[in-house]
Amino acid sequence: EADIYQTPRYLVIGTGKKITLECSQTMGHDKMYWYQQDPGMELHLIHYSYGVNSTEKGDLSSESTVSRIRTEHFPLTLESARPSHTSQYLCASSDRDQPQHFGDGTRLSIL
Amino acid sequence: KNQVEQSPQSLIILEGKNCTLQCNYTVSPFSNLRWYKQDTGRGPVSLTIMTFSENTKSNGRYTATLDADTKQSSLHITASQLSDSASYICVVSDRGSTLGRLYFGRGTQLTVWP
Repeated sequence: EADIYQTPRYLVIGTGKKITLECSQTMGHDKMYWYQQDPGMELHLIHYSYGVNSTEKGDLSSESTVSRIRTEHFPLTLESARPSHTSQYLCASSDRDQPQHFGDGTRLSIL
Repeated sequence: KNQVEQSPQSLIILEGKNCTLQCNYTVSPFSNLRWYKQDTGRGPVSLTIMTFSENTKSNGRYTATLDADTKQSSLHITASQLSDSASYICVVSDRGSTLGRLYFGRGTQLTVWP
């Protein structure tokens, strides 16, 4: 089993709040990713990182931001949550061409 | 446009039966194809990964096939169990970038009934 952890698993919060979704991996992987997944739809890449101090935007435009200060940690932040941000957010990591290992996701609901 | 299409969208089978899920892709250039299993409320878990030169790979009761010429893959599940109920996602990677960009299908939702 891959060791990649996301917290919280579920979050229900009001509009306008600042939110940070946590993602940590203990495998020493350089590459980390954030995906957004809506029910019945494909995963969309919103952010990725090659390593420490490296962050890039993915294919799907997102108002969220990320940081990579440590190899094992890749948090995602929404400065002001809106109902349109309601979704499931999945974090993943990989080492070279190995299959990506996914966390169990954070299901976010903005009221 | 690079795409991954999966069929059927959903499938219901009885426990103990076999089933086959399909994946067609237009991703080019091609690097590898992966099948993932995603249980409800969990993250995807890798089942198999195949490169251009591989045409079949097994993982227990799961057998994936790849026809790189026709750009088709299938996932065959043998002697299904209740725990096989999940979404099965086909993911294709290109080799057009150092990142190895992934293209995701929408998944086939499999339900196994007792």
